[in-house]
Amino acid sequence: GENVEQHPSTLSVQEGDSAVIKCTYSDSASNYFPWYKQELGKRPQLIIDIRSNVGEKKDQRIAVTLNKTAKHFSLHITETQPEDSAVYFCAAPPGGGATNKLIFGTGTLLAVQP
Amino acid sequence: DAGVTQSPTHLIKTRGQHVTLRCSPISGHKSVSWYQQVLGQGPQFIFQYYEKEERGRGNFPDRFSARQFPNYSSELNVNALLLGDSALYLCASSPGRPPLPQHFGDGTRLSIL
Repeated sequence: GENVEQHPSTLSVQEGDSAVIKCTYSDSASNYFPWYKQELGKRPQLIIDIRSNVGEKKDQRIAVTLNKTAKHFSLHITETQPEDSAVYFCAAPPGGGATNKLIFGTGTLLAVQP
Repeated sequence: DAGVTQSPTHLIKTRGQHVTLRCSPISGHKSVSWYQQVLGQGPQFIFQYYEKEERGRGNFPDRFSARQFPNYSSELNVNALLLGDSALYLCASSPGRPPLPQHFGDGTRLSIL
C-alpha cells in the first residue's frame, strides 16, 4: 500500500539545538524523497531532497539521510533558529515514481524557542 | 523568474456549484500536478498532467477533472461542490518526467458554504 508515516507530530527545541524528523515509507520501489517546509498560510517550499542512490545529502544547516533497507529517511536541522519554525512534510512517490504523485506524511510542527 | 502562479487566491462557493481553478507553471516546466490540502493535513494528490496528457490520478471522485493547455498551464474543475471540498488547492510544476523536484504555487483557498 501507499503510506508515509512521520514522527513526531510536534517538536519544540531551544534556539541553537538540533531537530530531527523521521519518516517511514511502505513502497520499496520509492526512489525520491523530498522535504517541504510550510509556514502558516503559505505554500509548501521544497527545502531538500534525496534520491535512492544516495545515503545522505547536506545543504548548509539541513541534511537528509536515507536508509533504504529500513525504508526510512530523516531530516536533520542543526543550529535551529526561530525562522525554522514551521510545519515540515516528508513525501515519497509510490510505484517507483512513474508519475509525479507524492504521498505526504502527516507533518511535524517545529517550534524553535528563542 | 516567476514561480508557479495560481488564481484566484481565495474563492467562496455554495454547495452544488462548480469551480475552476487555474495554474501557470514555472517557465520551461511541462508537468503540472494538483493537490488538495485540508487544514492540518499534508497535501493529497489529485492529478498530474505532462505534455497535455493525464499521467496520474489520485483517489478523488469524478466530480474532479483537469486539463493542460498547449502553453502548459492547467485548470482544475470541481463540479457539484460539497462542504468537504473546502481546502487549499495547490498546483505544483516540475520540468518533466519524474522523479524531478516539484515546486508549489501559493494555492487557492476554496471555502464552501
